[in-house]
Amino acid sequence: DAGVIQSPRHEVTEMGQEVTLRCKPISGHNSLFWYRQTMMRGLELLIYFNNNVPIDDSGMPEDRFSAKMPNASFSTLKIQPSEPRDSAVYFCASSLDSSGVFWEQYFGPGTRLTVT
Amino acid sequence: ILNVEQSPQSLHVQEGDSTNFTCSFPSSNFYALHWYRWETAKSPEALFVMTLNGDEKKKGRISATLNTKEGYSYLYIKGSQPEDSATYLCAFGRTGNNRKLIWGLGTSLAVNP
Repeated sequence: DAGVIQSPRHEVTEMGQEVTLRCKPISGHNSLFWYRQTMMRGLELLIYFNNNVPIDDSGMPEDRFSAKMPNASFSTLKIQPSEPRDSAVYFCASSLDSSGVFWEQYFGPGTRLTVT
Repeated sequence: ILNVEQSPQSLHVQEGDSTNFTCSFPSSNFYALHWYRWETAKSPEALFVMTLNGDEKKKGRISATLNTKEGYSYLYIKGSQPEDSATYLCAFGRTGNNRKLIWGLGTSLAVNP
């Protein structure tokens, strides 16, 4: 398996522009997580999906952020409009949730976002 | 407020030293405790998933123990090597339908050759 795939790997954009980050989870995994890495908060969960349904979006910073998972093999995280404080590394992770077990999460390589 | 605390925040050891770090988590509603290894410029990778009080897991020179009653887990590295240099994260999972993990800020380990 290719692992969790994220694109783009790097994104540089100007303040006010729309940014879309993409994630393809590991085939067969039914939970998908979007994280943001910052110096102050470490690894911060933004939202997670189970069976394509958003379960917990309490970490989404504000209305400028939105996430979708239209099918089991694809998810997007959108920021509109982007601001310099959104600059961070965004990780997508997936896991297999079966019989109520918290299996380990597999992380993608991350997208480094820079908003100027 | 659910908090996962890790200590120390950072650690510098010499090659060959053995070391350990601590993860503290709420002892109520415990379901699972995860340990991850995160090398600079890479992505976190799972080391262990522990669910039972008294669990001990081992992978090579790295091992972990779990005490759910008092809410702590230890990670041990025996004979540290420079390639062990990384941030070690723990994450706590609660009972219930919400599968999100509560993450600690990590212990940053530097092993000097």
